[in-house]
Amino acid sequence: SSELTQDPAVSVALGQTVRITCQGDSLRSYYASWYQQKPGQAPVLVIYGKNNRPSGIPDRFSGSSSGNTASLTITGAQAEDEADYYCNSRDSSGNHLGEVFGGGTKLTVL
Amino acid sequence: QVQLVQSGAEVKKPGSSVKVSCKASGGTFSSYAISWVRQAPGQGLEWMGGIIPIFGTANYAQKFQGRVTITADESTSTAYMELSSLRSEDTAVYYCARDREDIVATILFHWFDPWGQGTLVTVSS
Repeated sequence: SSELTQDPAVSVALGQTVRITCQGDSLRSYYASWYQQKPGQAPVLVIYGKNNRPSGIPDRFSGSSSGNTASLTITGAQAEDEADYYCNSRDSSGNHLGEVFGGGTKLTVL
Repeated sequence: QVQLVQSGAEVKKPGSSVKVSCKASGGTFSSYAISWVRQAPGQGLEWMGGIIPIFGTANYAQKFQGRVTITADESTSTAYMELSSLRSEDTAVYYCARDREDIVATILFHWFDPWGQGTLVTVSS
């Protein structure tokens, strides 16, 4: 199956902008979706499609994609944004259609 | 607004099976896919498989083929995930999530929303 690669950890100063990236061959064919997970909680969808935010997600979260790389950008990071972030995409490698997640990025807000 | 409520924590012996349920409320159950995702302690998310209740056919990650069975009961709006031949490495939180899909300008995308609250399965002798 194909893989999605994320940096294990990223940090950002309070109020600054941070970009979290996700690389993988499947991203050439499918948009990624992004999930925020705080300790002890279920993941929460923050971005899907080209750049769609579910209701309730602040507009400081945005998504983009180019080639085999998808990005999640937080413009003006807040303390409450400190969490793990996972990208996800369809996986159509081989003869099997499934899903694949990136390994996750731990975001620290300084 | 769809909500997914999962069954409670389980403690199982190695070699046994576990069946976790996921009950949907507040929306249409049959026409959307339900996926199961697990997360081992301190680890990332791992997709196990999914089902579209109206079709009844499940799709599994190759890693779990032969060991996982995903079913759905439309009459009770409940999806189930059964994992057999449990081993200690199966200790994890198991989540269900609604799996939706769309296409824009020939590019397909999907998303998991909402998620259940998670069910901790502990495999220990």
